[in-house]
This record gives sequence, structure tokens and C-alpha cells, in this order.
Amino acid sequence: AQKVTQAQTEISVVEKEDVTLDCVYETRDTTYYLFWYKQPPSGELVFLIRRNSFDEQNEISGRYSWNFQKSTSSFNFTITASQVVDSAVYFCALREGGSEKLVFGKGTKLTVNP
Amino acid sequence: GAVVSQHPSWVICKSGTSVKIECRSLDFQATTMFWYRQFPKQSLMLMATSNEGSKATYEQGVEKDKFLINHASLTLSTLTVTSAHPEDSSFYICSARSPGHRTTGSYEQYFGPGTRLTVT
Repeated sequence: AQKVTQAQTEISVVEKEDVTLDCVYETRDTTYYLFWYKQPPSGELVFLIRRNSFDEQNEISGRYSWNFQKSTSSFNFTITASQVVDSAVYFCALREGGSEKLVFGKGTKLTVNP
Repeated sequence: GAVVSQHPSWVICKSGTSVKIECRSLDFQATTMFWYRQFPKQSLMLMATSNEGSKATYEQGVEKDKFLINHASLTLSTLTVTSAHPEDSSFYICSARSPGHRTTGSYEQYFGPGTRLTVT
């Protein structure tokens, strides 16, 4: 069965600090997709990234970077030089190749203090 | 990017009444839409998968007679919470599956902004 674990429930940092949000997944499929979403206080889910299981290349987008490691079943998300606007709940999610279902982790609430 | 809307964005209703929430894909056709529920400070839980022209598939533990889903067109799915109770108060989010890529078949799920339901 597919499962996503975000062990960090809440993280609090000071502006300009780097912060890494952990995500560990479980699946028996060889084809799967991993996602990160941001949910600000307004509630709307904001798509950040999708990674498929055949692409282990790390990705950088501005201050955001993602580290995908199949050996440890992890897909961690790092925000560099955090800003107050980064404060939100971040969800990691998994979809198996043969399924349409997205399974979400429990989320990590990030608070960036000025 | 693709846009999914939900209406209303928030609703307050009295216990025992029914509430309908609409989910629309604005610029693409979605044969499949999904309904999620999110309780405060919790994760999103899939309630059901809505397929255009057929019955919805409900997740285990979700009462299909209480949460009626209708996907009557390729751009609209509705969720009706019947005989609502305070414990149904939650944030309901829909998503719509985009058409598959013509060569790879890959697709995306686009999320609506959510509907906050409060039952008094």
C-alpha cells in the first residue's frame, strides 16, 4: 500500500534561514509520481513540483530545491533563505503509476518569523 | 495553467439541511474529478472519485448516501452533503484530472480553491 510520511509536524525558523522539509514514501510500484504542494492560510493548494520515479535528478527553482533519493525513498524539499511569505503548510504526495489516487502526507507547518 | 473553480467558497448551513458544492474545470474537459475533505490541521483525505456519466467511486468509510456526487458534464461535478451535521463541518477541495498528454499519456490534477462548510 502506498504511504507518505512527513515526520515534521511543525517547523519554525527565522527569516533568511534555510529549511528542509522531509518526505518519506512507501510504494511497491516501480512507476510512481511524487509531488509537493503548498497550502497558505487561504486554503488553496499550490502545486510546486512533480517528479516521476525514473527521474532522480535533483531540481532547483529559485529558492526551492528538491532532493529525490530512491535508495532512501525520500523526496525532501529545501527552501533557501526563507521568507515570511513561505509560511504555509507543505504537503508531500504520492501517486502510483497505475492509479489516479493522490495520497498525501500529514503536512508540515512552516512558520518563518521576521 | 488549467483552472478549477469551486462554488461557494464558504457556506454556513443549519443542521439537517443539504448543501451543494460545485466544482468546475474552466478551460479543459475533465472526465475525472476528485473530492477531498480536510479537517482543521489535518491532511487531505480522498472521499470519492467522480467520473463523467457514471457513478462515483467512494473511498472506504465515506457514506455515499450522505455525500452525493454528480458528474453530469465534462466540466462540472457537484458534491451534495445531505442532512448535514456539525461533524460534517470541514474544508472540501475538488480536483480535476487533465486530459492525458497525446504521446506520453501523462496527466495532472488541478485543485480548486476549496469550500469551507460550517454546519451550525
